[in-house]
Amino acid sequence: QKEVEQDPGPLSVPEGAIVSLNCTYSNSAFQYFMWYRQYSRKGPELLMYTYSSGNKEDGRFTAQVDKSSKYISLFIRDSQPSDSATYLCAMIREGGKLIFGQGTELSVKP
Amino acid sequence: DAGVTQSPTHLIKTRGQQVTLRCSPKSGHDTVSWYQQALGQGPQFIFQYYEEEERQRGNFPDRFSGHQFPNYSSELNVNALLLGDSALYLCASSLGGARYNEQFFGPGTRLTVL
Repeated sequence: QKEVEQDPGPLSVPEGAIVSLNCTYSNSAFQYFMWYRQYSRKGPELLMYTYSSGNKEDGRFTAQVDKSSKYISLFIRDSQPSDSATYLCAMIREGGKLIFGQGTELSVKP
Repeated sequence: DAGVTQSPTHLIKTRGQQVTLRCSPKSGHDTVSWYQQALGQGPQFIFQYYEEEERQRGNFPDRFSGHQFPNYSSELNVNALLLGDSALYLCASSLGGARYNEQFFGPGTRLTVL
């Protein structure tokens, strides 16, 4: 079993839709929970990170962590075609080793 | 402020050859981590360098080795290349100590092994 599970999609939504991306994990030692966005043929770009259970909002993006269920989510409001990319969840233990999910490919259609 | 830079952008090698990839961290960062990303997969941790020492290592064979220089730049070396080493190699930089969670990635080097 992988430490971090993420549905690879692909996920296709119309412009303006609310997008929900999710990951589950098995290791309760994870301390930080990150979301990265990766455009085709580019490196991952850090969108947000959270430390504890709860919500964190940044513009159209909301990250949610439920440590009791070992479940994290990223919500994108008012999705735009420019949001079309692969979204990677990642988790980290002390020391800096990032463990990534497989990534979910998102396509926002105009 | 320059972000993380990597060179070369693309590389084509044949089986059995050796390759060296280079990374310059974001200004002010002192820690460099290397990741391998196969097509359609998330990045996998190879190793991390801090103060010119390998601090952590993932589940990769000894064919993968690295180095960090006094200016914090880093190299990834892969010997005896296999077809399965074809991937995007990513470098990420961060601050040592308590800021390890904020890792910023470079654009990657795409390695093709024929």
